[in-house]
Amino acid sequence: NAGVTQTPKFRILKIGQSMTLQCAQDMNHNYMYWYRQDPGMGLKLIYYSVGAGITDKGEVPNGYNVSRSTTEDFPLRLELAAPSQTSVYFCASSRLAGSDTQYFGPGTRLTVL
Amino acid sequence: QKEVEQNSGPLSVPEGAIASLNCTYSDRGSQSFFWYRQYSGKSPELIMFIYSNGDKEDGRFTAQLNKASQYVSLLIRDSQPSDSATYLCAVYILTGGGNKLTFGTGTQLKVEL
Repeated sequence: NAGVTQTPKFRILKIGQSMTLQCAQDMNHNYMYWYRQDPGMGLKLIYYSVGAGITDKGEVPNGYNVSRSTTEDFPLRLELAAPSQTSVYFCASSRLAGSDTQYFGPGTRLTVL
Repeated sequence: QKEVEQNSGPLSVPEGAIASLNCTYSDRGSQSFFWYRQYSGKSPELIMFIYSNGDKEDGRFTAQLNKASQYVSLLIRDSQPSDSATYLCAVYILTGGGNKLTFGTGTQLKVEL
């Protein structure tokens, strides 16, 4: 099993550009999550999904969108990139919600200039 | 009060010593507690989880939970230079959208030769 995979590993965007961060898992987990981590800060939940076709906002959803068309994939879309979105983005998945271990992908380091 | 609090460190211990990492949380109803290790530039990696009061041991690691005091700790015995990393405490906290895994900002551990 590859676990949780993310692409790309690094990306530099100009202000106003858009991009999609890809996330996939092969553990047949229903629950998937997107976090961002800023230096010296804890991970902040952006969006999460409880299954294909069902997504909901987390703590910091502004400026982002998600979709979940399959159990395996959970892409994160950035529209009109801003410098405040410079961060490291982690995708995670879990088998159950509310109490289960979350497994993390390797992360995408995004810089918006 | 932050929902999950950790001392940011750095905590410096000599090789072979016991490292003690502490975490407090705000939600008295929390039931699931996790310790993740994060090397610089890498993603969080699960070290241990604990659900019940008391101690849980796994190799050189021991997690301790005291729900009455809302306190969870991680002990690392025989600390090695490879243990040098940031340790994230994570707790499922009840929010308006259900239980969400909430992270502390992490404690940086340095194991010195």
